[in-house]
Amino acid sequence: KQEVTQIPAALSVPEGENLVLNCSFTDSAIYNLQWFRQDPGKGLTSLLLIQSSQREQTSGRLNASLDKSSGRSTLYIAASQPGDSATYLCAVEDQGGKLIFGQGTELSVKP
Amino acid sequence: GAVVSQHPSRVICKSGTSVKIECRSLDFQATTMFWYRQFPKQSLMLMATSNEGSKATYEQGVEKDKFLINHASLTLSTLTVTSAHPEDSSFYICSARVGGLAGNTIYFGEGSWLTVV
Repeated sequence: KQEVTQIPAALSVPEGENLVLNCSFTDSAIYNLQWFRQDPGKGLTSLLLIQSSQREQTSGRLNASLDKSSGRSTLYIAASQPGDSATYLCAVEDQGGKLIFGQGTELSVKP
Repeated sequence: GAVVSQHPSRVICKSGTSVKIECRSLDFQATTMFWYRQFPKQSLMLMATSNEGSKATYEQGVEKDKFLINHASLTLSTLTVTSAHPEDSSFYICSARVGGLAGNTIYFGEGSWLTVV
């Protein structure tokens, strides 16, 4: 059974810092991996999607990497801003098309 | 881009009553929709996969008689929580896949807060 784990559960940093969020999964037979952002009480916004054949994806200040063989992904956020404060969720899509989510990392960027 | 709409965004119901939540794909056809539940400070847990024109596939531990899913058209899936109890209070969120194929982009609705009193 696929399990997705995110570390740390919560993170508080001062504005301007670069930071890394970690995601690990137990079964490497994935279709892709996605990083989402969730604001309190809201739905999900897709940030980056990495296909299983890819190693990384970049969008603005965000960079996500994928090492499928070791079951790891990282989300790198450069020059963090208070507006980045949210919960970041990692999810893998299995071969059956289901998304399995991690517990999320709650990020707080202090001005 | 593709949009998935959920309604209502918030609902309060009395214990023992039923409540229906709608999930619509506004500008694309979704043969497959997914329903998730999220308790406070926890991650999203897949409840069921809704397939247009056929029965939903429920995840282990989810009571299909309590959480009724209907996917009667290519743009609408509904989740009905029957005989709701306070422990059913949660954030329910749906997603729809463009074209229904694994690996295609998945879009999420804004979610529905259910409070059972």
